[in-house]
Amino acid sequence: DQQVKQNSPSLSVQEGRISILNCDYTNSMFDYFLWYKKYPAEGPTFLISISSIKDKNEDGRFTVFLNKSAKHLSLHIVPSQPGDSAVYFCAASEAGGGADGLTFGKGTHLIIQP
Amino acid sequence: GAGVSQSPSNKVTEKGKDVELRCDPISGHTALYWYRQSLGQGLEFLIYFQGNSAPDKSGLPSDRFSAERTGGSVSTLTIQRTQQEDSAVYLCASSLARGSEQFFGPGTRLTVL
Repeated sequence: DQQVKQNSPSLSVQEGRISILNCDYTNSMFDYFLWYKKYPAEGPTFLISISSIKDKNEDGRFTVFLNKSAKHLSLHIVPSQPGDSAVYFCAASEAGGGADGLTFGKGTHLIIQP
Repeated sequence: GAGVSQSPSNKVTEKGKDVELRCDPISGHTALYWYRQSLGQGLEFLIYFQGNSAPDKSGLPSDRFSAERTGGSVSTLTIQRTQQEDSAVYLCASSLARGSEQFFGPGTRLTVL
């Protein structure tokens, strides 16, 4: 029973265009959401996060949007660059981002085409 | 070291053997987490340590799995009587405190034949 779902296993985007990665969750107790990026043979690296009290957080080329009523968040990357090619994991936690482990989605493999 | 390190990077074992995986967190990080990623799956939370104690063991899949942390630093994850379904990448993460950003190690790829 997946609480965090990333329904697109892969996404192909042309360099310079916008990449939009989507994530849905079912647990209404989640109040902190994160995106991690993972290259092959490396551990995930933190990209950007958002608290449930916000609906948008921006950091350079990366913006995360949160729609609590729809239990949906998305990561926008603009403009997309070749180095953005990686697997992106959406993750969520309860209790203000603290406590226990994160609940991860299965990931979306983003491929940036030249 | 600058980041979280894990050893070994790869481990191949026979079904029924015990294995021990090691995690060295970032110095000063009090919180430590173990996850595993099976083929085609997301990361699955296993256990969380705050200092040397493990307030949350809810993610351990069976009693064959155990973990300890000594000195508030190094942690070992032990899998007894390994099964083929234990094959996965085991990832360790640490954070400065409960609730802060988690930094991941490169993982240990475990293959049970």
